[in-house]
Amino acid sequence: NAGVTQTPKFQVLKTGQSMTLQCAQDMNHEYMSWYRQDPGMGLRLIHYSVGAGITDQGEVPNGYNVSRSTTEDFPLRLLSAAPSQTSVYFCASSYSVGSNYGYTFGSGTRLTVV
Amino acid sequence: GENVEQHPSTLSVQEGDSAVIKCTYSDSASNYFPWYKQELGKRPQLIIDIRSNVGEKKDQRIAVTLNKTAKHFSLHITETQPEDSAVYFCAASGGGSNYKLTFGKGTLLTVNP
Repeated sequence: NAGVTQTPKFQVLKTGQSMTLQCAQDMNHEYMSWYRQDPGMGLRLIHYSVGAGITDQGEVPNGYNVSRSTTEDFPLRLLSAAPSQTSVYFCASSYSVGSNYGYTFGSGTRLTVV
Repeated sequence: GENVEQHPSTLSVQEGDSAVIKCTYSDSASNYFPWYKQELGKRPQLIIDIRSNVGEKKDQRIAVTLNKTAKHFSLHITETQPEDSAVYFCAASGGGSNYKLTFGKGTLLTVNP
């Protein structure tokens, strides 16, 4: 049981390049989400999914796309990287059983756009 | 949507003292309030959480209190130790079919030996 796995751990992109941040979970959680973390800003929600085939926008969705074709995978795509997207990205998955929740974060991807 | 305010942004205490971090939220429908600890370069780790039907929860040196009427919740750390030094985040979630966590901006806690 690996939990939430994010790849890559580090990435440097040039402005205008595209890339996909991978996120996979093996806990059969229905809910997955992507956050970005910037100094002094906490964690801000980019996109989330409540199940396979269902995605929705969070607080800061511009410049990012997501898809959820399987329960396990929730990739985040940067279509045309910009320096403003330099950040640490965390993927999280969670379950909800009655009033019980459990969020698990991946180890993060540190992205630099030059 | 939900808005979570967290204070203070930095907190410095002497080892053995208590530390208190406070958060307020805006959405009265929120019913799940976790606290995360994040060490430098690491992922956020859940340290304690509380649900809206509970006013207080304690786990060893850590406690969380919730005042639903005032829409605020607090983290209390007693007998602080240098290894408690980290950034702490509060969060709120609407629950039910709303799994979204909204985070505060974090508190950098420094425990001085």
